Amino acid sequence: GAGVSQSPRYKVAKRGQDVALRCDPISGHVSLFWYQQALGQGPEFLTYFQNEAQLDKSGLPSDRFFAERPEGSVSTLKIQRTQQEDSAVYLCASSSGQGEETQYFGPGTRLLVL
Amino acid sequence: AQTVTQSQPEMSVQEAETVTLSCTYDTSESDYYLFWYKQPPSRQMILVIRQEAYKQQNATENRFSVNFQKAAKSFSLKISDSQLGDAAMYFCAYKAAGTASKLTFGTGTRLQVTL
Repeated sequence: GAGVSQSPRYKVAKRGQDVALRCDPISGHVSLFWYQQALGQGPEFLTYFQNEAQLDKSGLPSDRFFAERPEGSVSTLKIQRTQQEDSAVYLCASSSGQGEETQYFGPGTRLLVL
Repeated sequence: AQTVTQSQPEMSVQEAETVTLSCTYDTSESDYYLFWYKQPPSRQMILVIRQEAYKQQNATENRFSVNFQKAAKSFSLKISDSQLGDAAMYFCAYKAAGTASKLTFGTGTRLQVTL
């Protein structure tokens, strides 16, 4: 596709439910990043993939957060046993990884945990 | 750790006028990149302009330009001939060189454009 896409755009979950958020990066992009953006704040880094390898997961806030990119393209961010503090916008970004420093963002998924 | 500070939570500018958004950062790296992203209510983060730290010349993109002061660790964005479509949240971001490096964002400046 022409840009990064994410689905769903909105997700409402009851506390304790598991959710899965999907990211489709720009075709051919090697690098993929997940960010979490709380209301009124700037995005904060969660995790990074180079192809299928998760090279940095230092930003994941707890072991309830899990990300994967099994074939080096589409990525899924999974949150288990959601809590109210997980409510945020989850942004995905990709870059070509070939000396390209610019990250291109998707529209985000707004997660609301009730 | 790198930090990015945007000290102006909100700014307002009249259509066709010029406005400057401020950003300072802190890093011990010598090779890095700085970005301004625009985030309209639709939430899509759009790249406005980027600056390579090794370049002395300030970056420009049409009506958008930056004032990069490396020694002062300052990176301001100037928007000329402001348009209604420029209204959005603007985020300053820092990234160490290397494709694996994450972006570190400031808290953003909300820009209003009035008639």
